[in-house]
Amino acid sequence: ETGVTQSPTHLIKTRGQQVTLRCSSQSGHNTVSWYQQALGQGPQFIFQYYREEENGRGNFPPRFSGLQFPNYSSELNVNALELDDSALYLCASSLVGGATDTQYFGPGTRLTVL
Amino acid sequence: KQEVTQIPAALSVPEGENLVLNCSFTDSAIYNLQWFRQDPGKGLTSLLLIQSSQREQTSGRLNASLDKSSGRSTLYIAASQPGDSATYLCAGIYNQGGKLIFGQGTELSVKP
Repeated sequence: ETGVTQSPTHLIKTRGQQVTLRCSSQSGHNTVSWYQQALGQGPQFIFQYYREEENGRGNFPPRFSGLQFPNYSSELNVNALELDDSALYLCASSLVGGATDTQYFGPGTRLTVL
Repeated sequence: KQEVTQIPAALSVPEGENLVLNCSFTDSAIYNLQWFRQDPGKGLTSLLLIQSSQREQTSGRLNASLDKSSGRSTLYIAASQPGDSATYLCAGIYNQGGKLIFGQGTELSVKP
C-alpha cells in the first residue's frame, strides 16, 4: 500500500463528454504527477503539480487540465472526450526536496470512452 | 530525444530460474532510474530506485544495476517464483522532481 488513492476505480463515458478523476496523495508529499497508460504501453506523462502550480506538462492537448488543492490532493479533467482517451490514468505522489523523490503510484482509474 | 526501451516485450521462464530484464536509455545524463512492477489492471509498485551516483540496489531477490556510460540498466531476479509473474517497467528521470520516462515494459510469466 502506497497511501495514494484514486477515484473512481472505473468509469465509462461517451465521446464528447467531460470527466474528472481524483487523486489523494501520500501524507507529507507535495507533488502529484499524472500519467496515461494505454493498453500494452508504458505510462505517458501528462503533467505535474507542485504546491498547487503546474510544474511541467507532457505532449497532451489543452483539453487535459488539472488542479492541486492546499491538502495536495489533485484532479485531472478531460474535456471533449475522444475514443483514444480510453486508458488507465495513474497519479503518483512524491516529496520534491526531500531525501528521495521516489514517486508512489495509486491504483489507477480505468476510463473507457464509447 | 530522451527514450527508454525494454526488450523483450514478453518473457516466459520455468520456476526457480534466475533471470535478467533489460532496460536501455538514450540520454546518459540520467538523474535516477526506477524499476516498477505492475499486475494486470493495477497501478505501479516501486521495486528499486537507483540514483545516478550509484551502480546498483538490492532488495531481497531483486538486484538492479545502472551503467550510465552504456545507457543500460538491468533487473536481476533470483530464484523466480510464479508470484513474480507481472509486467516490469523501468523509468528514467532526468532532474529532481521531474517526470518519469517509461519503457514499454516486459511481461514476465513464471511457470510452475
